[in-house]
Amino acid sequence: ILNVEQSPQSLHVQEGDSTNFTCSFPSSNFYALHWYRWETAKSPEALFVMTLNGDEKKKGRISATLNTKEGYSYLYIKGSQPEDSATYLCASNTGGGNKLTFGTGTQLKVEL
Amino acid sequence: KAGVTQTPRYLIKTRGQQVTLSCSPISGHRSVSWYQQTPGQGLQFLFEYFSETQRNKGNFPGRFSGRQFSNSRSEMNVSTLELGDSALYLCASSEQTPRGSYEQYFGPGTRLTVT
Repeated sequence: ILNVEQSPQSLHVQEGDSTNFTCSFPSSNFYALHWYRWETAKSPEALFVMTLNGDEKKKGRISATLNTKEGYSYLYIKGSQPEDSATYLCASNTGGGNKLTFGTGTQLKVEL
Repeated sequence: KAGVTQTPRYLIKTRGQQVTLSCSPISGHRSVSWYQQTPGQGLQFLFEYFSETQRNKGNFPGRFSGRQFSNSRSEMNVSTLELGDSALYLCASSEQTPRGSYEQYFGPGTRLTVT
């Protein structure tokens, strides 16, 4: 994998559903993997930064896992709520400093 | 702490003109990065400045340049504007990090329209 890829591109779920997204990234020269949430008319907001293979992080109903050997990360949302509606971006840092390569995001819409 | 601020928020320019965008990072953050977001392309990294030095650069033509001042405020300049430069330009600040393991805090962006 040369670029950061995210799937699915978009997702519609019902309130209360649990869902997950995938981020694939280059596994060579890995430094860190970032997840951001970007709501309409707002700025991207950091969810997690993960650096170690096997990392698992959790914030409320949202959690993420990291596999640096195979180059993928999963983001899970348990019991989706309408306020979770946003675009979820992952970004890979492979060169140090703060140069992030972003995927094109997964657009989540949670319906009542 | 105050968040990242960007000025102006909206800008309309004509092809061939040049433009300067400004970004003030969170107090204490010394790293400022710039990104371009266009429909279908996602966020594309432009460059990063740390302690007044460009530390990383993305794959953009030389018409895109930037600088950082001693107070960590940063500006980016685009010369000879093209229609394709119409985009949302975001800046993000971060604490000092040698390996990019700190989260970035994004500003509200500057929406540039080139006509």
